[in-house]
Amino acid sequence: QVQLQQRGAGLLKPSETLSLTCGVHGGSFSGYYWTWIRQSPGKGLEWIGEINHSGRTKYNPSFKSRVTISLDTSNNQFSLNLSSVTAADTAAYYCARASYDFWSGGTGYYYGVDVWGQGTTVTVSS
Amino acid sequence: SYVLTQPLSVSVAPGQTARITCGGNNIGRKSVQWYQQKPGQAPVLVVYDDSDRPSGIPERFSGSNSGNTATLTISRVEAGDEADYYCQVWDRTSDHLYVFGTGTKVTVL
Repeated sequence: QVQLQQRGAGLLKPSETLSLTCGVHGGSFSGYYWTWIRQSPGKGLEWIGEINHSGRTKYNPSFKSRVTISLDTSNNQFSLNLSSVTAADTAAYYCARASYDFWSGGTGYYYGVDVWGQGTTVTVSS
Repeated sequence: SYVLTQPLSVSVAPGQTARITCGGNNIGRKSVQWYQQKPGQAPVLVVYDDSDRPSGIPERFSGSNSGNTATLTISRVEAGDEADYYCQVWDRTSDHLYVFGTGTKVTVL
């Protein structure tokens, strides 16, 4: 059973860089997308970006200029960096595993975001 | 970008059936996932690919999807089902790849 364990700083000042790491325990990177999702206080879920086992990334355009997701297979972890944070970036951040793929002709398989980390509450305050 | 709309809240008595809708343009052509989130916890996948359940999810949770509406149905509702529920699709036509619904708070009376 794959488990995801998050670590990283929970309190930042404006303009600093948010850095979170997600350790992957009990599973392989291959065949999945490794994603970051956040949830602002009292709000819904917002996708930040993803990375696959070969290091290919996709980012939400809302974050594109500030976000970097990277993979460290030797240490079984992937990371999120979000630069120039503001109070609007205060949220719970989740790493997760997504199982899906797009095939030609509009088909594919879609098994959901099936494994989640425990979440990290990040507060941005001066 | 693609938009998914859910009712803000649904209230249901124990033992009854709760239905949570997720509206989107031609959502019937997409695969819909549903997540349950309890306060202070990470979301949990309860339905994937419109109507399939991950192992460990009770049969009381079922899903359907057609036209412009997907529905999560919770039968024989229990107090432990009280939570927020989110629908989600992958939009392969957009850079906004993962689209989540606005969320529905299910209250068990």
